[in-house]
Amino acid sequence: DAKTTQPPSMDCAEGRAANLPCNHSTISGNEYVYWYRQIHSQGPQYIIHGLKNNETNEMASLIITEDRKSSTLILPHATLRDTAVYYCIVRVGSNYGQNFVFGPGTRLSVLP
Amino acid sequence: ETGVTQSPTHLIKTRGQQVTLRCSSQSGHNTVSWYQQALGQGPQFIFQYYREEENGRGNFPPRFSGLQFPNYSSELNVNALELDDSALYLCASSFRGGQYGYTFGSGTRLTVV
Repeated sequence: DAKTTQPPSMDCAEGRAANLPCNHSTISGNEYVYWYRQIHSQGPQYIIHGLKNNETNEMASLIITEDRKSSTLILPHATLRDTAVYYCIVRVGSNYGQNFVFGPGTRLSVLP
Repeated sequence: ETGVTQSPTHLIKTRGQQVTLRCSSQSGHNTVSWYQQALGQGPQFIFQYYREEENGRGNFPPRFSGLQFPNYSSELNVNALELDDSALYLCASSFRGGQYGYTFGSGTRLTVV
């Protein structure tokens, strides 16, 4: 079973920031938080990952709470192309043989 | 660098038949994983190969099998196809067990009739 819980769906206005929450209350000290997204009928796309510090890249920012029990993915200026299902996953960083357990994710709809 | 490529993109098979799906890993990646994604659900892990050996498996029966080749490309074989095997099959490659994330292909859409 997935170790994360996410809201099933969210809406966001185009040009505004999209804040996608994720709860991972049972996360272990050596587990990373990964975010992927899947646009309809395509393979999941890596967005960002982090252990305990906040992370930022060209796509998004990841904010992890100090107790690491929850995190938020931020898309700073959402566009229509960001409409997708977003998956939050926790996993040990380098673990041969243990793979991602995907939950149902959050369906983000960016509205014009 | 090239990404992960899968073939074919779509496939229709009859119940009871066998199917082979193919995946070319991203350049520099030595680990490949396969996932099954039923309509409306998240991907489910089938198995992973590292250095040509299976080193992790999800809750799938033995009729799901695979291979990884010296060039790190991979095959997924499914025997005795069932209607419930209809799904999107995703291949993902990574380096060093996926610490820096996985690169997924666009998948093969398998329909069993």
